[in-house]
Amino acid sequence: GEDVEQSLFLSVREGDSSVINCTYTDSSSTYLYWYKQEPGAGLQLLTYIFSNMDMKQDQRLTVLLNKKDKHLSLRIADTQTGDSAIYFCAESNDTGGFKTIFGAGTRLFVKA
Amino acid sequence: EAGVAQSPRYKIIEKRQSVAFWCNPISGHATLYWYQQILGQGPKLLIQFQNNGVVDDSQLPKDRFSAERLKGVDSTLKIQPAKLEDSAVYLCASSLEQAGGVDTQYFGPGTRLTVL
Repeated sequence: GEDVEQSLFLSVREGDSSVINCTYTDSSSTYLYWYKQEPGAGLQLLTYIFSNMDMKQDQRLTVLLNKKDKHLSLRIADTQTGDSAIYFCAESNDTGGFKTIFGAGTRLFVKA
Repeated sequence: EAGVAQSPRYKIIEKRQSVAFWCNPISGHATLYWYQQILGQGPKLLIQFQNNGVVDDSQLPKDRFSAERLKGVDSTLKIQPAKLEDSAVYLCASSLEQAGGVDTQYFGPGTRLTVL
């Protein structure tokens, strides 16, 4: 079945850029998403990209999509301590029913 | 606008007991999801409703889990009887509709279940 994989942990210094990577297996993915989860809270959608795009920028966030390699990344510029959270990559497609598959999440730790 | 509400926030039960969780989605959202999030993992879809009909319950352990969404609004998820491996956070999410477009899901804070 479809699978989404992420590295489990990333540590950066405040002010540096963070890059969180994700790979997925579903070649028919329609949309790819990045969600953020803070302690004790549910997931919050940060941004998404349509599969026919290769880049999307939204303020400090840049999403890069390499569809050939099925690789998605999220770059956070000028990382702040408030960015410390778990970041989930997810993909959805509309074949056989619309379903979103989540990765296991990358825990971002920002050091002051 | 009010977000997705869930209750209770925490629940501790012993194995073989029953438990129920409640979810109130964002007003007007047709699609409702229940996810199970085990510690260190991503959310796993248990069941998806479109209004009050089930769209996908392929990963719901139907021998012990049940869910309903009466009148296409609130939903309850029940576990009877609970097992130790059911310890997890149960997340409810809702989205405006499922029309093949971007699936922006709004999540509630979750219910943390501990089975002893």
